[in-house]
Amino acid sequence: DSGVTQTPKHLITATGQRVTLRCSPRSGDLSVYWYQQSLDQGLQFLIQYYNGEERAKGNILERFSAQQFPDLHSELNLSSLELGDSALYFCASSVDGGRGDEQYFGPGTRLTVT
Amino acid sequence: AQTVTQSQPEMSVQEAETVTLSCTYDTSESDYYLFWYKQPPSRQMILVIRQEAYKQQNATENRFSVNFQKAAKSFSLKISDSQLGDAAMYFCAYSWEYGNKLVFGAGTILRVKS
Repeated sequence: DSGVTQTPKHLITATGQRVTLRCSPRSGDLSVYWYQQSLDQGLQFLIQYYNGEERAKGNILERFSAQQFPDLHSELNLSSLELGDSALYFCASSVDGGRGDEQYFGPGTRLTVT
Repeated sequence: AQTVTQSQPEMSVQEAETVTLSCTYDTSESDYYLFWYKQPPSRQMILVIRQEAYKQQNATENRFSVNFQKAAKSFSLKISDSQLGDAAMYFCAYSWEYGNKLVFGAGTILRVKS
């Protein structure tokens, strides 16, 4: 158990819908990352937050957005869902988000878009 | 662009034997970090080992060790005394910049035979 929690574990929804994935980092960690794992694109970095502020952005679609709240939990919002958004979404956390900081992953949320 | 290549889609090892998983990366940076993550069938991403590029000494964690060849841009993982619980997908990952995002290879499936 990494100490990072994600809810829900599984999500099944229809195309065009909107969902919210939630992540709580390890106790003491200030930085949160979101990654997407799909069969065709592998593991891809989406976005990083540090203490409530966006720090880095990767290949995140405009239909996707995220935020980190004052209690440090984070949410990833996915809207206008398409079949291709079906994937495993991971949240990771690290102490300060600095270079080389070790990232610990949550169990993931499996999103299925039908 | 920074890329990570794992040329072995699948490897097999006999229980108690040693196996080496290969990883190469492409970068123009001089200061960066390399990681190996394990993803068992549960899909949880588990940090196995971390290497700092400016350290010449190879990292070791119990039965796991790396062979870091900076000039060759190679970062292989050696698993000694393989156990059934080592069966998993192994990902090599690289991070270099302030945002600390991880760039992952495609992964190597490791099968352990009893």
